[in-house]
Amino acid sequence: DAKTTQPNSMESNEEEPVHLPCNHSTISGTDYIHWYRQLPSQGPEYVIHGLTSNVNNRMASLAIAEDRKSSTLILHRATLRDAAVYYCIRTPNFGNEKLTFGTGTRLTIIP
Amino acid sequence: DSGVTQTPKHLITATGQRVTLRCSPRSGDLSVYWYQQSLDQGLQFLIQYYNGEERAKGNILERFSAQQFPDLHSELNLSSLELGDSALYFCASSRGLAGAEQYFGPGTRLTVT
Repeated sequence: DAKTTQPNSMESNEEEPVHLPCNHSTISGTDYIHWYRQLPSQGPEYVIHGLTSNVNNRMASLAIAEDRKSSTLILHRATLRDAAVYYCIRTPNFGNEKLTFGTGTRLTIIP
Repeated sequence: DSGVTQTPKHLITATGQRVTLRCSPRSGDLSVYWYQQSLDQGLQFLIQYYNGEERAKGNILERFSAQQFPDLHSELNLSSLELGDSALYFCASSRGLAGAEQYFGPGTRLTVT
């Protein structure tokens, strides 16, 4: 199964940027990098995904290293609502699209 | 609101019983996925259907089965329930294309007593 490595937990102050790292050193050239988050008592929520170049959407930015062995999810201005478990997931560019969730990073926002 | 609906929200039943969980995907999505989330196992993929056909199987027990109907809604059937089946069951849907994002429903919390 595709593996990623994330810190178990991180803390950030409210209204400051948050950089959530993910290591995927064995990624293949065609794997996507997806980020999902799960707020307390809710289902996982799609955040962003990318293949090679950096990506931006209304929720976050995804910075992908040039060698694609790591990526960083950037929340530009954290709010209390961003407190959640964030999952970094590799998905193949073909065939089975199942998501293999690891333990993720539990993000705590300090008011 | 993800656009994916799941019913019921909560289900309490006894060991040995059978239950059916229902999922309606987002409009236009052809793929439906089922995931189980328990405290000790985390979020685990169970099974995927694409346009009515089974496409992938994960850690799904033989006592569990699923299907996707012509209107694309899906049902997950859990039988001979055991205490260890108590968990949150999530349904997700996507366009079914490689790399497509998945949208999750609010989940069904199953408690087996």
